Amino acid sequence: DAKTTQPPSMDCAEGRAANLPCNHSTISGNEYVYWYRQIHSQGPQYIIHGLKNNETNEMASLIITEDRKSSTLILPHATLRDTAVYYCIVRPSGYSTLTFGKGTMLLVSP
Amino acid sequence: GAVVSQHPSWVICKSGTSVKIECRSLDFQATTMFWYRQFPKQSLMLMATSNEGSKATYEQGVEKDKFLINHASLTLSTLTVTSAHPEDSSFYICSARGTGGGEDTQYFGPGTRLTVL
Repeated sequence: DAKTTQPPSMDCAEGRAANLPCNHSTISGNEYVYWYRQIHSQGPQYIIHGLKNNETNEMASLIITEDRKSSTLILPHATLRDTAVYYCIVRPSGYSTLTFGKGTMLLVSP
Repeated sequence: GAVVSQHPSWVICKSGTSVKIECRSLDFQATTMFWYRQFPKQSLMLMATSNEGSKATYEQGVEKDKFLINHASLTLSTLTVTSAHPEDSSFYICSARGTGGGEDTQYFGPGTRLTVL
């Protein structure tokens, strides 16, 4: 599986957009980009995933560069409840599992 | 998104006893379920993968005789920690992936906090 690189931590002011970057320069053509988050002492929560097109849902937007070597997760209006560890994971299509790295600890402050 | 439940949410047991954790997919059928473990301030580590009706596949370093996994139906998997010891204290999280072809998203349960005294 392609590996990902994320900053260990980021800060964001409440109400502002949170832009979380992820580098996956070795991604291959059949690998999807997944984003999950884990709030303290809870199981990971699925956020969004994409292959090459930008994606948006009720939680976030995912922007994937044209060469697919990096992506950005955007939380448009961060709230205190968005404070969590955010994981960017690449996974081939099919039935392989998700491998978690260290993620980015996002702290949203008032 | 799909819902995965776990029971119990936390458990405290004495050293040497066995503990069973249940994982259920509530609104979808899960052909594949996964069990992860997470120690404090660390990321999730995959323990095993199970397919309904088949034996689980364990990751390297995970003792299959100690961590018994049963995936008897498309909505239920259980993890039994046998003869638990303090070093088994951890946060255990299950995950389920649905049926069907194409790209199936993996959903996670809320986790079970195990403390072995």
